[in-house]
Amino acid sequence: ETAVFQTPNYHVTQVGNEVSFNCKQTLGHDTMYWYKQDSKKLLKIMFSYNNKQLIVNETVPRRFSPQSSDKAHLNLRIKSVEPEDSAVYLCASSLGLGQDTQYFGPGTRLLVL
Amino acid sequence: GEQVEQRPPHLSVREGDSAFITCTYTDPNSYYFFWYKQEPGASLQLLMKVFSSTEINEGQGFTVLLNKKDKRLSLNLTAAHPGDSAAYFCAVSAGDMGYKLTFGTGTSLLVDP
Repeated sequence: ETAVFQTPNYHVTQVGNEVSFNCKQTLGHDTMYWYKQDSKKLLKIMFSYNNKQLIVNETVPRRFSPQSSDKAHLNLRIKSVEPEDSAVYLCASSLGLGQDTQYFGPGTRLLVL
Repeated sequence: GEQVEQRPPHLSVREGDSAFITCTYTDPNSYYFFWYKQEPGASLQLLMKVFSSTEINEGQGFTVLLNKKDKRLSLNLTAAHPGDSAAYFCAVSAGDMGYKLTFGTGTSLLVDP
């Protein structure tokens, strides 16, 4: 049963455009994450929010910015996309930190032409 | 920071055979360990969560072994079947860096009928 929802499923855009991905969790969790999964399936964390506060901000280009309106939502905006941004973006949530299991959404596949 | 190496990157076995995947990690403070399964086109599903105090963990059709001395985490799928064909990822969380999960590089498993 899906409890972490992501939209859109798939997005095709051109270099230089702005895109925004949405993530919502209905698990009542305090922590949410954005991961990037590249074409080789490598998973790298980008951002993490706990109780609407940014707690992890890995080295990602400045064109990426997370946006959290409340604990249940964490969106990702990419300003001026580049070809290397083509990937699957996975949202996840966990009850707290560290030892708590992360539950993943279905992902948003981005293709930049 | 934590480094997690996962081997092999690709594995092909016959139905009924065992499939063995190993991760080695670097941070001796690593405390929580996870195995995730990702079927083609789908998101990550938790297979098992392991605490540092437990060396042998039995799941349904698989066993997870933790060797803290060697800093090694293993997944053994016993009697694999075609439905096990997927990508498998280990993930490690250090107790003193509670907010960060480091993923292995993934193993793509194919089970031939």
